Amino acid sequence: TQLLEQSPQFLSIQEGENLTVYCNSSSVFSSLQWYRQEPGEGPVLLVTVVTGGEVKKLKRLTFQFGDARKDSSLHITAAQPGDTGLYLCAGVPGNQFYFGTGTSLTVIP
Amino acid sequence: NAGVTQTPKFQVLKTGQSMTLQCAQDMNHEYMSWYRQDPGMGLRLIHYSVGAGITDQGEVPNGYNVSRSTTEDFPLRLLSAAPSQTSVYFCASSYSGGHYGYTFGSGTRLTVV
Repeated sequence: TQLLEQSPQFLSIQEGENLTVYCNSSSVFSSLQWYRQEPGEGPVLLVTVVTGGEVKKLKRLTFQFGDARKDSSLHITAAQPGDTGLYLCAGVPGNQFYFGTGTSLTVIP
Repeated sequence: NAGVTQTPKFQVLKTGQSMTLQCAQDMNHEYMSWYRQDPGMGLRLIHYSVGAGITDQGEVPNGYNVSRSTTEDFPLRLLSAAPSQTSVYFCASSYSGGHYGYTFGSGTRLTVV
């Protein structure tokens, strides 16, 4: 059983389309993070959200933390081929750091 | 800045062999962790350390040992390799237990035959 469930698991879209990736849990998190991982490399931190209801923007990426701090979403506007990669959410519900199952995004030119 | 350095990048082992995956960071981070990444399973925590001399088990510790004699180094030892340990291994470090993000190494791809 995964503590953090991400959906969808795979996503293939055309350049210019919008998309949303979800990260859900039954546990409350003190903070949630989103990472992007490219093939052959380690994950790279994109953002950390801390407050319930918080919204953060990183260029065309919008991150939201749920009001109850149990879920988060990542929205990408006008996706580009450079957005291709594995997107992972992660957080600390107790004293260990857990990662979600990941969403593999492919943006087709 | 080198960040987190992992060696080797690739390794093939025979069942029953032992080896050590090396991890070093130059950011003076107290927290260090080892994860394994398998298809469809995300990243799973093997062992972690909150400072020199202190280690603890994560989700999947069986078959692995760690030690932390210095702040910089956190090696992962496979005691007797099994095919189930075929995976990509990542070392990560953090200033504050992950609350403000982890810095990852580039990974070690291990195949056990």
